[in-house]
Amino acid sequence: NAGVTQTPKFRVLKTGQSMTLLCAQDMNHEYMYWYRQDPGMGLRLIHYSVGEGTTAKGEVPDGYNVSRLKKQNFLLGLESAAPSQTSVYFCASSLDARSYEQYFGPGTRLTVT
Amino acid sequence: KQEVTQIPAALSVPEGENLVLNCSFTDSAIYNLQWFRQDPGKGLTSLLLIQSSQREQTSGRLNASLDKSSGRSTLYIAASQPGDSATYLCAGRGGSNYKLTFGKGTLLTVNP
Repeated sequence: NAGVTQTPKFRVLKTGQSMTLLCAQDMNHEYMYWYRQDPGMGLRLIHYSVGEGTTAKGEVPDGYNVSRLKKQNFLLGLESAAPSQTSVYFCASSLDARSYEQYFGPGTRLTVT
Repeated sequence: KQEVTQIPAALSVPEGENLVLNCSFTDSAIYNLQWFRQDPGKGLTSLLLIQSSQREQTSGRLNASLDKSSGRSTLYIAASQPGDSATYLCAGRGGSNYKLTFGKGTLLTVNP
């Protein structure tokens, strides 16, 4: 039982390049989340999903897109990376939205130059 | 809008000391509050989840309390060890989409 996994662990992009971050969970959780963590800002919700085929905007969605084609996977895309998107990205999942713990992946450290 | 504050931002204690980490939130209409631990360069590890109907949760040397009326939660760590050194984050769940709102964390250092 791997829990929540994220690939890649590190990535360096040039401004304007695109990439996709992959999150996978093997706990059969309905809800999945993408956060970014920046010094002095704490964790902020980018997008989330309440089930396969659904996505919704979080607190800071601009510049990102997401897809949840399979229940176990949640993809975060950057179409045209900007230096302001340099951050550590965390994926999380939970059994439901309200009552159960969120479990986090190990993170992806992204640098945009 | 929910705001979560953690004080102090950093705390240094000698090994063996009992300590309390504080978390305050502005909106008392939370469903639950979750405490996490984050080691440098790592993800978040869930420590305790307290439902709004509960006042305390315990796991080993950790005890978390929740007082919705005062907008406060505390994490008590007994007999601290150097391995407890990490950043501790609290997050309150509430709102129409049950979003988690995080504090900025308390960096704990336990000195041998």
